Amino acid sequence: GESVGLHLPTLSVQEGDNSIINCAYSNSASDYFIWYKQESGKGPQFIIDIRSNMDKRQGQRVTVLLNKTVKHLSLQIAATQPGDSAVYFCAETPYNFNKFYFGSGTKLNVKP
Amino acid sequence: KAGVTQTPRYLIKTRGQQVTLSCSPISGHRSVSWYQQTPGQGLQFLFEYFSETQRNKGNFPGRFSGRQFSNSRSEMNVSTLELGDSALYLCASSPGDVLTETQYFGPGTRLLVL
Repeated sequence: GESVGLHLPTLSVQEGDNSIINCAYSNSASDYFIWYKQESGKGPQFIIDIRSNMDKRQGQRVTVLLNKTVKHLSLQIAATQPGDSAVYFCAETPYNFNKFYFGSGTKLNVKP
Repeated sequence: KAGVTQTPRYLIKTRGQQVTLSCSPISGHRSVSWYQQTPGQGLQFLFEYFSETQRNKGNFPGRFSGRQFSNSRSEMNVSTLELGDSALYLCASSPGDVLTETQYFGPGTRLLVL
């Protein structure tokens, strides 16, 4: 589970600031979306999910926003901490399929 | 509850050989999915097994195959290895009773083909 991609977009934020990570998807039939966090040496870890009948869902320090009109998904992390440094992936699957398509990932770098 | 486990964690093979990777899902989970992760292509879906049957399949050649046992443990096999098969192979499990549900990943098997 090491950081993937030599050319991953990188978002650098200061500790304590809010982070916003974006993801665009292309399949209008996508019904279910998940955000994953992948730290070096580990597999992707579930953060939060959202179904297409919702446009916002909140978890602990995280919020996912879904805009189906423009096929856009975002992950907001409040009060970003050094432990949030990782690569973040969005994943989507069409209705009634357990077959996820992953975005290329964004590397979040939190500066202390 | 123990998480998804994968064995081995690291593997080195040469071109032309074949390899078998193993995945034990979370207890009670009946769906197991396999993914290939490379720097160039990112995370790509290989296939999903549920109740010993392949339920979904990605766009990989026939050299990539898998199976699932009655205890939900799964194996994937890659025959006639190519250099481009070097990757991190990830297994994910989910309960499987409802389609489109959260998948939980294992740590992966790092395969290097020389």
